[in-house]
Amino acid sequence: EVRLVESGGGLVQPGGSLRLSCAASGFTFNRYWMYWVRQAPGEGLVWVSRINPDGSNTNYADSVNGRFTISRDNAKSTLYLQMNSLRAEDTAVYYCSKDLTWGAMDVWGQGTTVTVSS
Amino acid sequence: QSALTQPASVSGSPGQSITISCTGTSSDVGGHNHVSWYQQHPGKAPQLMIYEVSNRPSGVPDRFSGSKSGNTASLTISGLQAEDEADYYCNTYTTRSPVVFGGGTKLTVL
Repeated sequence: EVRLVESGGGLVQPGGSLRLSCAASGFTFNRYWMYWVRQAPGEGLVWVSRINPDGSNTNYADSVNGRFTISRDNAKSTLYLQMNSLRAEDTAVYYCSKDLTWGAMDVWGQGTTVTVSS
Repeated sequence: QSALTQPASVSGSPGQSITISCTGTSSDVGGHNHVSWYQQHPGKAPQLMIYEVSNRPSGVPDRFSGSKSGNTASLTISGLQAEDEADYYCNTYTTRSPVVFGGGTKLTVL
């Protein structure tokens, strides 16, 4: 079964840091682009970041550029999102997803909730 | 504000057909065929329903179809069923930002 399982979310104070993980199984992880997408409470989906199969190419949304870092460990089939200098507006459910082709995301995790509040 | 414009809501009765639009520009939706559609039920992860404008992943009912004309892509659901009530999002690949989503459309089955 193809599966993505996120972990690492929680409550953090403004200015704090958090590292999200996404464990992949059921497919050849090192062959695919991977994404992080977030959804603030009551809001729509927003793309956050993406990384190419070997980890050498990354992209970020303007809103997180310079604060978030995406990475992957292909030996462990795991995707990461290091989030620093967190703000209240980063509060959201964070999903990891797998690329099918050109931005189409065919596999999604269940999401992990990040709450930034004092 | 989303780069792709979707209606906030649409509705239809069981058995009817509805269409959700997704409008971009010639630099994204109008410039290639990399448009996808997702269904999201409350509290659940999104599910890919259509990719590359009109392709259905395995397991998606053929009641769901996609098309594109100019800068606007569309998702059509025919034979509407109660379980189709959900939020729907389009996304596309762009040169400015690799991926952008529409604002989402809430489908209500009356």
